[in-house]
Amino acid sequence: GAGVSQTPSNKVTEKGKYVELRCDPISGHTALYWYRQSLGQGPEFLIYFQGTGAADDSGLPNDRFFAVRPEGSVSTLKIQRTERGDSAVYLCASSFINTGELFFGEGSRLTVL
Amino acid sequence: GNSVTQMEGPVTLSEEAFLTINCTYTATGYPSLFWYVQYPGEGLQLLLKATKADDKGSNKGFEATYRKETTSFHLEKGSVQVSDSAVYFCALSDNDSGAGSYQLTFGKGTKLSVIP
Repeated sequence: GAGVSQTPSNKVTEKGKYVELRCDPISGHTALYWYRQSLGQGPEFLIYFQGTGAADDSGLPNDRFFAVRPEGSVSTLKIQRTERGDSAVYLCASSFINTGELFFGEGSRLTVL
Repeated sequence: GNSVTQMEGPVTLSEEAFLTINCTYTATGYPSLFWYVQYPGEGLQLLLKATKADDKGSNKGFEATYRKETTSFHLEKGSVQVSDSAVYFCALSDNDSGAGSYQLTFGKGTKLSVIP
């Protein structure tokens, strides 16, 4: 597709469950970011990939959160033992290297009951 | 650490009114500054940016000037349209060009509604 694609668009799960959120970036973009947006807040940085490697994971809140990008394209954000406080919209963005123009997907809304 | 403060919304204006959305920032070094916009049902998209002091970013009739002395990057438009209704986010990045990362720090967003 032409833009950043994120699936699922909505995910409802129970406390303690495992969740995976997928991001398909724009073809040719080597930089990929994950952000989290809570209600009434701006997006908060989670992790940045340059190619296949996580170049900066300083925004991950704890070790329940993990992300991979094994082939340098699609990325998966994984959340273990979900908690109610994890409920948010998870945004993925991609870009060319060394540019501040990030292209965002529409996000995956996660609700933990 | 870095932070961005933007005016609280929501903001409601009549069509053709003048728009200002204030944004101030705190950062170490010399960040780049951005305005992103989120239209209903769509993802965030870059509206304009400025990479150094006194630069003016502009797009779609919107403008913002990077003011280092006041650490501000206020968004302005002379005559808003109904189609400008959206949420506007001010953001900054540390220019970590060595790693190629543009980690953005966002403000909370300002919702703009323009009525006919």
